[in-house]
Formats: sequence, C-alpha cells, structure tokens
Amino acid sequence: GESVGLHLPTLSVQEGDNSIINCAYSNSASDYFIWYKQESGKGPQFIIDIRSNMDKRQGQRVTVLLNKTVKHLSLQIAATQPGDSAVYFCAENSRTISNFGNEKLTFGTGTRLTIIP
Amino acid sequence: DGGITQSPKYLFRKEGQNVTLSCEQNLNHDAMYWYRQDPGQGLRLIYYSQIVNDFQKGDIAEGYSVSREKKESFPLTVTSAQKNPTAFYLCASSNDYDRAGYQPQHFGDGTRLSIL
Repeated sequence: GESVGLHLPTLSVQEGDNSIINCAYSNSASDYFIWYKQESGKGPQFIIDIRSNMDKRQGQRVTVLLNKTVKHLSLQIAATQPGDSAVYFCAENSRTISNFGNEKLTFGTGTRLTIIP
Repeated sequence: DGGITQSPKYLFRKEGQNVTLSCEQNLNHDAMYWYRQDPGQGLRLIYYSQIVNDFQKGDIAEGYSVSREKKESFPLTVTSAQKNPTAFYLCASSNDYDRAGYQPQHFGDGTRLSIL
C-alpha cells in the first residue's frame, strides 16, 4: 500500500534557530495533509493542515509547504524553543482513493526534534 | 474544556484475559477511531466508527472488538485472541467529512497496555 515516510529520523536544532522537518509521500492522489506533534507519553497534537489546492499555509510560528510535483511536505518551525522538543509526523488522506472521508489517514513514522540549549 | 479522555493511562493484561480501554469525547464529533502505536512504526488503524451503532474494521482489527452505543463513547476491547497486545493505544475523533469537509483527527493521551 501507499506509505508516508520521513527523510530524517532525528533532528537536532539550536534554540532560537528555525527547524525544518520533511515528509515524502508516495500516493499522488493524496489531497489532504496534516502535521502532528507528539510529546513523550502523550497523544499526537494537531499542529497544522493543508489541502492539495494550496502550496503553503502558515500558523503561529509554523509553516507547512506542499510540493505536489515531487510529493514532498515540510514543516517549518520558526525560532525553535525547548517546548518544541517532540516527535513530529505527517499524515495524508486521499478520499479519492479510499472513498472515505476523514477516516483513512496514513501516518509516517515520525522525526524526533531535539533542541540544543 | 472540550477534548478526548482515555482511561486508564496504564493497563496490564494477564494471559487469556480480555481488557477494555475507555474513550470518551465531548467535542460532539461524529467519527471516532482507535489506533495502535508501536515503536518505530506509524499509527495503525484498528477500528473506526462514523456514526452511533455502526463501526468498521481498520487495517489490524483481528483480536479487537468495539462498540458505539453513544456518540461520545467508543470503548475498545483487547481480547485474548490478540497475541501481541503490548502497545500504546490511541483514540481519536473528528467531524464527519460530508458535513465539514476535510478535518484533522484529534487524539486522546493514550493507554499503554502491557502483558503481565
């Protein structure tokens, strides 16, 4: 089946610098993408989402970029803080393929972001 | 505050025992889901329910059962038929696609199940 993967399993960033976390997807029919943050012992927390009719979407200190040509998704975190330390993973949804609504998300395995003081 | 509550946080199962994990949401979401998370793997869908009294198998439903008698509740039973139940179990909910379009799933804080 289709899978969502990540380029790097771990990422260490100096506090105050910007972080970029990448995600590659293989299903060209995917039309909705979500980034989640998961802290140790907790459930995933929604960060930001983007639909395939957009290339970029901004939130508070976060930006998601979508490149459909190369099937690549990235999450940029500005001015990284210690509280940003967590595992980040992306998820994709393709209603066209699955005929479901929000039910059939495919999740990546995650990138662990570590902040260096 | 609106959210998803999972209980217990930690659970231990003996051989041949069924255990039930609780999931309650007060977000008024129509759809609810159960996932299993293992180290180094992405979340895998066990069961989902789009409406009360209806639920569908996900990718790894064998050894699990669910019920959806109320909109806000979606308990998961891990039966003795599940031979490798040790994992972190996550419950999620979302609005219905037909009513709200694409919506992210929101998660509880999980139940960690271990074998005695």
